[in-house]
Amino acid sequence: IAGITQAPTSQILAAGRRMTLRCTQDMRHNAMYWYRQDLGLGLRLIHYSNTAGTTGKGEVPDGYSVSRANTDDFPLTLASAVPSQTSVYFCASSARMNTGELFFGEGSRLTVL
Amino acid sequence: AQSVTQLDSQVPVFEEAPVELRCNYSSSVSVYLFWYVQYPNQGLQLLLKYLSGSTLVESINGFEAEFNKSQTSFHLRKPSVHISDTAEYFCAVSDRSGANNLFFGTGTRLTVIP
Repeated sequence: IAGITQAPTSQILAAGRRMTLRCTQDMRHNAMYWYRQDLGLGLRLIHYSNTAGTTGKGEVPDGYSVSRANTDDFPLTLASAVPSQTSVYFCASSARMNTGELFFGEGSRLTVL
Repeated sequence: AQSVTQLDSQVPVFEEAPVELRCNYSSSVSVYLFWYVQYPNQGLQLLLKYLSGSTLVESINGFEAEFNKSQTSFHLRKPSVHISDTAEYFCAVSDRSGANNLFFGTGTRLTVIP
């Protein structure tokens, strides 16, 4: 089934550790996004990529980095995790960059202790 | 920048009753509007969208939303809800430059009571 695959689905992490959340899509979409979802705050954009080789900062980029070496993969890295990064992280992709029509993965639940 | 307000964080409703989930937005430019649905332990799915044309848009499972420019609203309605409609619903707005500027509301949890 075509779509977005995220890994891991859940992770508990000690503060200060490095963590990479993986995201792979098989729809050949040019644009990809990382959001975090927090209770009462909805979804907030962390980083995005309009095409392979380019990335941009969203609303809450601090403490996170991304890379886009190819069309299919868009990993999100926390260089030194902090408790405030405890959240559910969603990867998404878009076939049409000029609208908000997104396809989402099932999320990665991260707990930083 | 755009912003979205969903005034109701939780809406309980009895099965087969009508429901309205409210969404208001603010923007200084023309916008696209969306409703996304999130079922438990899943990612968000696009429910319906307004890009242009008719201000009344419908989904395949009976939901509809009407774009009201004068009231800056995009309320979601369904005349008769089912148990399976229990989920979190997110309103979202973007300007026409792209999904890099897509802003979500805080969500409304719809609970359908048998």
